[in-house]
Amino acid sequence: AQSVTQPDIHITVSEGASLELRCNYSYGATPYLFWYVQSPGQGLQLLLKYFSGDTLVQGIKGFEAEFKRSQSSFNLRKPSVHWSDAAEYFCAVGDNNAGNMLTFGGGTRLMVKP
Amino acid sequence: GAGVSQSPSNKVTEKGKDVELRCDPISGHTALYWYRQSLGQGLEFLIYFQGNSAPDKSGLPSDRFSAERTGGSVSTLTIQRTQQEDSAVYLCASSLTYTGSQYFGPGTRLLVL
Repeated sequence: AQSVTQPDIHITVSEGASLELRCNYSYGATPYLFWYVQSPGQGLQLLLKYFSGDTLVQGIKGFEAEFKRSQSSFNLRKPSVHWSDAAEYFCAVGDNNAGNMLTFGGGTRLMVKP
Repeated sequence: GAGVSQSPSNKVTEKGKDVELRCDPISGHTALYWYRQSLGQGLEFLIYFQGNSAPDKSGLPSDRFSAERTGGSVSTLTIQRTQQEDSAVYLCASSLTYTGSQYFGPGTRLLVL
């Protein structure tokens, strides 16, 4: 069965600093990988996705992620964090043999210091 | 265009009552998913519909949970004889095809007293 691990439950960064959120997955074949963001009381917003091809993918709001098959990782990065980026971030893997149902990591809550 | 909508946004019910949660997917999206988000279990897949095919119910936690999708569009998730452990946020998502990106609605927050 597939699984996703987000090792960091909470991360605090200063505004303007760089950010990296870690994600490790377990899946038997080439995975579909996603990052979503959730602000308090809101649904999930898709930041970016990896299906195939270029392993560095660009998303919305200045985020990018890199798929590393050898490390089973799909880490999310942003060069300069803004206060509005404070939210919870979820990494997910899609089971492309089962209708692409998503398995989510436990999430990382990002706090941004002024 | 319009995104995924869900209603009600909040629902408070008493233990043992039945509840219905509604999802309107993005127009033209053939795949529809239900997930549950709770403090103890995180985000969990519940059920998946693709076109006119039989739904994948593999994530439903008990036979008290059921869902239907009428006319390939609107979906209703029904929880019978609600229990306190059913309290959670129920999220609906849709995608253009089953291989596409899933777009989520704002969720229904269910509280069972």
